[in-house]
Order: sequence, then C-alpha cells, then structure tokens
Amino acid sequence: AQTVTQSQPEMSVQEAETVTLSCTYDTSESDYYLFWYKQPPSRQMILVIRQEAYKQQNATENRFSVNFQKAAKSFSLKISDSQLGDAAMYFCAYRSADAGNMLTFGGGTRLMVKP
Amino acid sequence: GAVVSQHPSRVICKSGTSVKIECRSLDFQATTMFWYRQFPKQSLMLMATSNEGSKATYEQGVEKDKFLINHASLTLSTLTVTSAHPEDSSFYICSARDAGTGVSPLHFGNGTRLTVT
Repeated sequence: AQTVTQSQPEMSVQEAETVTLSCTYDTSESDYYLFWYKQPPSRQMILVIRQEAYKQQNATENRFSVNFQKAAKSFSLKISDSQLGDAAMYFCAYRSADAGNMLTFGGGTRLMVKP
Repeated sequence: GAVVSQHPSRVICKSGTSVKIECRSLDFQATTMFWYRQFPKQSLMLMATSNEGSKATYEQGVEKDKFLINHASLTLSTLTVTSAHPEDSSFYICSARDAGTGVSPLHFGNGTRLTVT
C-alpha cells in the first residue's frame, strides 16, 4: 500500500515571502500521479497543482510550483509571494495510475501567513 | 469546471437515528465516487469506493452495515449512517472523477458536518 508523509504539521511564512512544504511518499509503482490540495477553513478541497510521475519537468501554476524528485520519492510544494489567502491546510496526495483512482492523503500541513 | 454537490452541509441528529448524505456530480458522469471521513485537525481517510450499479468497496475497519452506500446512477451516490452514535460525529466528504475525461483530478463536494447528540 502507498503511504504519504508530510513531516511539517505547521509552517509559517511572512506575507510576500516564499515557503516550501515537504511531502514524501512510498510506492512500488512506476506510474502514478501526485497532487497538492488546499483546504481553507470552509473545508472545501481545492486542487492546487498536479504532477504526472512520467514527466520530468516540474509542474508550475502561477505562484505555486513543485520540486518532484522521483528517485527520492519527494514532492515538495513551493509557494512564492505568499498571500494572506494562502493560509490553509495543505494536503499532499498520491494516486495510482491504474487502480480505482482513489487518493491517498498525507497528514497535512497547516500554513499560516503573517501580515 | 466540474462540480460536485454534497447535501446537506450540516446535520445534527440524535443517537440511534439514521442520516443520509447525498453526493451529486452536476455536469459530468461519475462511474466511481469516493467517500472520505475527516476528524478535526486530521487528514482525509478513505471510507469506501462507490461504483455505479454495483456494491461499494469498503476500506478495512469500515463497517459496511453501518455506512450504507448506494450509487444508483452515474450522477448520484448516497452515504447513509445508520443507528448513528456520537463517535460517528465527523466531517464527511465525497469526491468523483469525470468518467468522460482522461486522467482528471478528483472533484470534491463541500462536505457534510455530522453531529450526533
């Protein structure tokens, strides 16, 4: 079974600064997908960014980018120019490419943004 | 974008009663939906996978007779918490994938906060 680990229960960043959230995973599969979801106080799950394991290029979405290290099974999220609205729980998630499409979530990191 | 509607958003019920939660995909067909449970300050834990027209697949430790799942159509899955107890109080979230697309991310409902008194 796959496992996803987020080693930082909480992180804090100053507004306009950059922060990196860590995520590691364990799998024996070679084809899979990785995601970062944001969960604000409203509890709505919002997709931030996704990465296909077969792609070497790191995904980027505006201020959000990932550092995907397949051999190290690491998938960190970098948030640049942090904004107050970025404050939320962030979950790293893994999905196998070929079975059921269920997501396995990490434990989450609470990000606080200081004005 | 794809929308998943979950209803109700909040529900309070008495111990021993049953509660039904609905999850609808509004603008796409979902052959598979997923039900997650989230305790305060914790991550989402998969409870079961709901397959249209067939029995749901439950994760280890989840009582299938207590958490009844019905996926009768391509746009609707329901989770019924039977004989609810206070320990069933939690946040329940459904998600679905658009069956008509390739590898798309899962779309989530807004969740249901269940409180059993």
